[in-house]
Amino acid sequence: NAGVTQTPKFRVLKTGQSMTLLCAQDMNHEYMYWYRQDPGMGLRLIHYSVGEGTTAKGEVPDGYNVSRLKKQNFLLGLESAAPSQTSVYFCATDHRDEQYFGPGTRLTVT
Amino acid sequence: KQEVTQIPAALSVPEGENLVLNCSFTDSAIYNLQWFRQDPGKGLTSLLLIQSSQREQTSGRLNASLDKSSGRSTLYIAASQPGDSATYLCAVKVGDKIIFGKGTRLHILP
Repeated sequence: NAGVTQTPKFRVLKTGQSMTLLCAQDMNHEYMYWYRQDPGMGLRLIHYSVGEGTTAKGEVPDGYNVSRLKKQNFLLGLESAAPSQTSVYFCATDHRDEQYFGPGTRLTVT
Repeated sequence: KQEVTQIPAALSVPEGENLVLNCSFTDSAIYNLQWFRQDPGKGLTSLLLIQSSQREQTSGRLNASLDKSSGRSTLYIAASQPGDSATYLCAVKVGDKIIFGKGTRLHILP
């Protein structure tokens, strides 16, 4: 039982490049979230999903897209990366009101 | 708009002391409140979850209280240890969204 895993752990992108962050969970949880964490800003919600095939915008959705084609996976896409998207990205699931976090992806956009 | 504030931003105390971390939120219409721990470079680990109908939760040396009417929660750590050094975050659930405070960085001095 791996819990919540995130791929990749680290990535460096150049401005304008695209990439997809993968979040996978083996706990059969319905709710999944993507956050970004920046110094002095705390954790901010980007997008979330309340079940397979559903997505919704969070607090800071601009510049990101998401998909939840399978219940166990929640993908976060950056179509054209910008330096402002340099951050640590966390995925989380929610089960019975308790959140479970992945280890994070550290993304640098140069 | 719900806002979550944690004071102080950083705290250093000698080993063995009891301490209190504070969390306040602006809108009392929350579903629950959760306290997390985050070690440097790691994801978040859930410590305590308090439902809106509850007043407190305890786990080992940790006790969290919730006063929804005044928009406040406290995390009490008894007999602090160097291993308690970490950042502690509180978060409130409003609808499907979780809103985080910026955290209190705790350093326990040996």
